[in-house]
Amino acid sequence: DQQVKQNSPSLSVQEGRISILNCDYTNSMFDYFLWYKKYPAEGPTFLISISSIKDKNEDGRFTVFLNKSAKHLSLHIVPSQPGDSAVYFCAASDVGSARQLTFGSGTQLTVLP
Amino acid sequence: ETGVTQTPRHLVMGMTNKKSLKCEQHLGHNAMYWYKQSAKKPLELMFVYSLEERVENNSVPSRFSPECPNSSHLFLHLHTLQPEDSALYLCASSQEGTGTGGYTFGSGTRLTVV
Repeated sequence: DQQVKQNSPSLSVQEGRISILNCDYTNSMFDYFLWYKKYPAEGPTFLISISSIKDKNEDGRFTVFLNKSAKHLSLHIVPSQPGDSAVYFCAASDVGSARQLTFGSGTQLTVLP
Repeated sequence: ETGVTQTPRHLVMGMTNKKSLKCEQHLGHNAMYWYKQSAKKPLELMFVYSLEERVENNSVPSRFSPECPNSSHLFLHLHTLQPEDSALYLCASSQEGTGTGGYTFGSGTRLTVV
């Protein structure tokens, strides 16, 4: 059973518009959430994170929103740029699992010029 | 060299071969991980080494054997693999106890079993 789910395998967005990537989780013990970005032939790189004590964290064009009651988080990219085209992985961890990350299956974002 | 380095980048091996994947981290982290990424699947955790002690995922077949000689190096020894083992194998490291849970990944080894 997947504890972290990214139900959209792909998303296409026009350059300059907002990209919204979604992630759902089932384990209520998760208290820290991260987004990773992966280009082809490279390993994932850390993008942004959020603790469960917050509902929003912003870093430049990237904002992560957390809705604990719905067990849902989202990543907003505004404005989207062609260089943002990549696979985005959502991940979650909890203290009980020694902060090991559980990943979603990823969403391929394509930003069209 | 900085970050997490994996070698080789690409590997093609027959089902009867024995090969090893190597990972080295230059970040002073105290935990290292092997992940498997198959097409359109979540990153699957294979093995964790924390303070050089192995925390094993029991669902990993014995044809995969990890080795962590010190906190900076991690190996994945492969023998008698199957074609379905073809995937991208990613190494990562982290500093446990910082509370952030962030991992630094290597670029991966693209393994093809023929």
